[in-house]
Amino acid sequence: DTEVTQTPKHLVMGMTNKKSLKCEQHMGHRAMYWYKQKAKKPPELMFVYSYEKLSINESVPSRFSPECPNSSLLNLHLHALQPEDSALYLCASSQLALSYEQYFGPGTRLTVT
Amino acid sequence: AQTVTQSQPEMSVQEAETVTLSCTYDTSESNYYLFWYKQPPSRQMILVIRQEAYKQQNATENRFSVNFQKAAKSFSLKISDSQLGDTAMYFCAFMKPGGKLIFGQGTELSVKP
Repeated sequence: DTEVTQTPKHLVMGMTNKKSLKCEQHMGHRAMYWYKQKAKKPPELMFVYSYEKLSINESVPSRFSPECPNSSLLNLHLHALQPEDSALYLCASSQLALSYEQYFGPGTRLTVT
Repeated sequence: AQTVTQSQPEMSVQEAETVTLSCTYDTSESNYYLFWYKQPPSRQMILVIRQEAYKQQNATENRFSVNFQKAAKSFSLKISDSQLGDTAMYFCAFMKPGGKLIFGQGTELSVKP
């Protein structure tokens, strides 16, 4: 089973809202990732978690706050976003951080109004 | 720094025919991985095929095969017997152990009936 799930599929939020994106994997992977993807562009790495600890933050603005409650779950908390943050947010997991192929979830399409 | 180049932004192929997508990369590493990911209009990023640099044999997965030329730093994807469901954006990606996944800019493939 190589499934990574993400909820919600679509999210529309105002610039003053607080919302969260959720990601789950049951493959026993110890690394999880958040990516941001604009239309017809490759994904851009945002965060890497290894063994539930944040190992890489790609200088992402503080209005994005990741959280890894356990090895299967990854959240991305959103607050005071800007319209330019509208994008597809992809979660991925791999057996170990930055060493094996990554499996992606279906993404959350985020629109900031 | 590693770079990945996909020189064909768009390609089209007739159903049942064969198409080859090009990818070149630049690295001074000797040990690394190469991947092809497929992203259909549904937006789920799907791993198509992987290749370890130390393996001389080209990877194959059903109708998908690669031509890995390590000296030339080339990693092309051949899709045989193209199907309508192969319509997608295809991303070539490079990763060295301990490094991030580096994507090319993508090739948008249309399979025409």
